[in-house]
Amino acid sequence: AQSVTQPDIHITVSEGASLELRCNYSYGATPYLFWYVQSPGQGLQLLLKYFSGDTLVQGIKGFEAEFKRSQSSFNLRKPSVHWSDAAEYFCAVGDRGSTLGRLYFGRGTQLTVWP
Amino acid sequence: ETGVTQSPTHLIKTRGQQVTLRCSSQSGHNTVSWYQQALGQGPQFIFQYYREEENGRGNFPPRFSGLQFPNYSSELNVNALELDDSALYLCASSRASGASYEQYFGPGTRLTVT
Repeated sequence: AQSVTQPDIHITVSEGASLELRCNYSYGATPYLFWYVQSPGQGLQLLLKYFSGDTLVQGIKGFEAEFKRSQSSFNLRKPSVHWSDAAEYFCAVGDRGSTLGRLYFGRGTQLTVWP
Repeated sequence: ETGVTQSPTHLIKTRGQQVTLRCSSQSGHNTVSWYQQALGQGPQFIFQYYREEENGRGNFPPRFSGLQFPNYSSELNVNALELDDSALYLCASSRASGASYEQYFGPGTRLTVT
């Protein structure tokens, strides 16, 4: 079965600092890969996705993620964090071999940004 | 284009009661998925509806059931509520069935079971 691990439950960074959120997955092949962000009282917003092709994908709000097949990882990065980036971030995978659009989520990483 | 909406925003129920949560799909979307997000956890897939039929189900008991209507809106029904059902319930709509991962999430319904 697919599983997603986000090893960092909570990360704190200063505004303007760089950010990397880790995500590892367990899957028999290369799944579809996603990062979502959830602000308090809000639903999930898609930041970026990887289906195939270039392993470095660009998303909204200045985020990017790199797929590394050898490490089964899909880490999210941002070169300079803004206070408005404080939120919870979820990594998710989708089963490439399934006709069902089911997503498997990690437990999330809470990001705090210090001014 | 109207986004995904859910109602109610919050509700409190007593153990053993039944609850119905509602979701309106984004315009043009014909598939709805429901997820349960317990406190401190990532969302867990409950089931998906396409063309008014259940298209797939996660590891949830039969007391979790759903409906999809001709206008593609959807309901999630939970019978015999248990304390562990307390969670944020999210619905997501997408444009097509199959491996449609372009899912747009609503803001969720926060259910508290006492």
